[in-house]
Amino acid sequence: QQPVQSPQAVILREGEDAVINCSSSKALYSVHWYRQKHGEAPVFLMILLKGGEQKGHEKISASFNEKKQQSSLYLTASQLSYSGTYFCGTESSGDKLTFGTGTRLAVRP
Amino acid sequence: DVKVTQSSRYLVKRTGEKVFLECVQDMDHENMFWYRQDPGLGLRLIYFSYDVKMKEKGDIPEGYSVSREKKERFSLILESASTNQTSMYLCASSFKSQPQHFGDGTRLSIL
Repeated sequence: QQPVQSPQAVILREGEDAVINCSSSKALYSVHWYRQKHGEAPVFLMILLKGGEQKGHEKISASFNEKKQQSSLYLTASQLSYSGTYFCGTESSGDKLTFGTGTRLAVRP
Repeated sequence: DVKVTQSSRYLVKRTGEKVFLECVQDMDHENMFWYRQDPGLGLRLIYFSYDVKMKEKGDIPEGYSVSREKKERFSLILESASTNQTSMYLCASSFKSQPQHFGDGTRLSIL
């Protein structure tokens, strides 16, 4: 079963913050985050492993709450280059990576 | 840098045709994947392969088959194309459980 992402779409002005959530009905081993710009291939952002860690990548960071089986991606002081579709991918023990439905992010000047 | 190359960016075929989508990676990755991407449905796994001549069904394998005769090449086959297979198809590869590297995708239209 696919993880559920929310919101489905979000529009920001440059400099604003956003949070994208990813929830699963299964116990998770890891969560992967990817970004796909329009017309391009999805690109890996970061991976979070079981243990509730938080990771950062420039002004993009993420957390993993294994008890709630969810992860959140935080985009702070958004830039035009952040526009795209964000996908989470979740792994459960012994299972393959399953991607979510995606969140479309548009950053306006 | 990892390079995953899909043979066509755009493809138009007719209903009932047998369609081949090709994917080649240059990093000696064991794992290769085929996804389809549709609005509102995200990335859905069709088939994947952990080794040459090995294949595993993903979440939506119906109407598709795959072939992996060489480690670097993974082909997706639509046995008899139908209009509901019009979609964006993405190939990816990875080393063991490392992050996946994606190709640019093939936008397939079935008329």
